Amino acid sequence: EAQVTQNPRYLITVTGKKLTVTCSQNMNHEYMSWYRQDPGLGLRQIYYSMNVEVTDKGDVPEGYKVSRKEKRNFPLILESPSPNQTSLYFCASSLSGGGSGELFFGEGSRLTVL
Amino acid sequence: AQSVAQPEDQVNVAEGNPLTVKCTYSVSGNPYLFWYVQYPNRGLQFLLKYITGDNLVKGSYGFEAEFNKSQTSFHLKKPSALVSDSALYFCAVRRSGGSYIPTFGRGTSLIVHP
Repeated sequence: EAQVTQNPRYLITVTGKKLTVTCSQNMNHEYMSWYRQDPGLGLRQIYYSMNVEVTDKGDVPEGYKVSRKEKRNFPLILESPSPNQTSLYFCASSLSGGGSGELFFGEGSRLTVL
Repeated sequence: AQSVAQPEDQVNVAEGNPLTVKCTYSVSGNPYLFWYVQYPNRGLQFLLKYITGDNLVKGSYGFEAEFNKSQTSFHLKKPSALVSDSALYFCAVRRSGGSYIPTFGRGTSLIVHP
């Protein structure tokens, strides 16, 4: 089954404790991205990757890091989480970065930073 | 720059009645337009898209949308609403020919009453 898998789905952590949210897709998609969803603000893009070893900042990259060492994986790293990073995070992928294809989303990771 | 406006935070409709969820956009050049649906505790799912061609686009679950270039709109419609259509709906736009950085609206909550 074609899917985007995120882990963990739920996480409660404390300020400053590094964490990684993993994202994997099995569709051989070139393009992957991370979004955060906050009430009243909709979806905002954090980082995206057009292909392996190619990443770029989205609209709200501060406090986040990403890497794309393999085509299927695109982890989101919070080096020193803060309470304002409490949010619902979504990973998404698409066949290519320059085409008209739709995004495939993971189920989301709800992060709470105390 | 590109932007999307969903002017209604919430739309209420009775089951069996037609529904419309509004979306207007701003983008330089030709747009690629998308609608996604989010059910509670789930990721976003693709509904339909406009790339080129016929202005009326049909998608999943009986939904359709009409692209209106002069009004820069892409309203989502369904002839007869179901209670199970109750969800959060997102409109998204990106400029054709550019890099894949879609912009999402803030979302519209559709509530279908029995």
